[in-house]
Amino acid sequence: DSGVTQTPKHLITATGQRVTLRCSPRSGDLSVYWYQQSLDQGLQFLIQYYNGEERAKGNILERFSAQQFPDLHSELNLSSLELGDSALYFCASTLGHFGDGTRLSIL
Amino acid sequence: AQSVTQLGSHVSVSEGALVLLRCNYSSSVPPYLFWYVQYPNQGLQLLLKYTSAATLVKGINGFEAEFKKSETSFHLTKPSAHMSDAAEYFCAVTIGNQFYFGTGTSLTVIP
Repeated sequence: DSGVTQTPKHLITATGQRVTLRCSPRSGDLSVYWYQQSLDQGLQFLIQYYNGEERAKGNILERFSAQQFPDLHSELNLSSLELGDSALYFCASTLGHFGDGTRLSIL
Repeated sequence: AQSVTQLGSHVSVSEGALVLLRCNYSSSVPPYLFWYVQYPNQGLQLLLKYTSAATLVKGINGFEAEFKKSETSFHLTKPSAHMSDAAEYFCAVTIGNQFYFGTGTSLTVIP
């Protein structure tokens, strides 16, 4: 058990919709990293937050946004969804502790 | 520019044989390097990491990796493969505040 919690585990929605993925970091960790894993793009770093502030930005689309709240949980918002957004979305707190991911399927 | 390259998307070894998974990186600054394992339907698990201390890094489950600056490599090895080692392995590098993953190597262990 990594101590990182992601909800929901599975999400099925349609193109054009908007979803929110949630991540709670391991107790005591201030960082949250978001990643996307897809068959086409492999594993990609999206964005990092540290204690509520954006720390680093990777290959995150403009349709995607994230934030980290005072209790340190983070949400990744994906809007105007496209078929290609179907992927496994992971979060991590520190680079050694990953959640089990949210599998997003776009129909 | 590709920052980390994993040679061989699929590797098969016999149980008890040496495991060698290759990773090369490109960076103009000293990198931090990582190896992760991913089992089916699970998240990533950190095997080991290099953060500019000892060049030979020992990780969990009997894995180790050696940082070779001259070869820009960070290959993962294990002396004797177990069936439970069958999984996807990812090499990753942090350069500055960016994080890059390799494309992964699927390891099959043959009984």
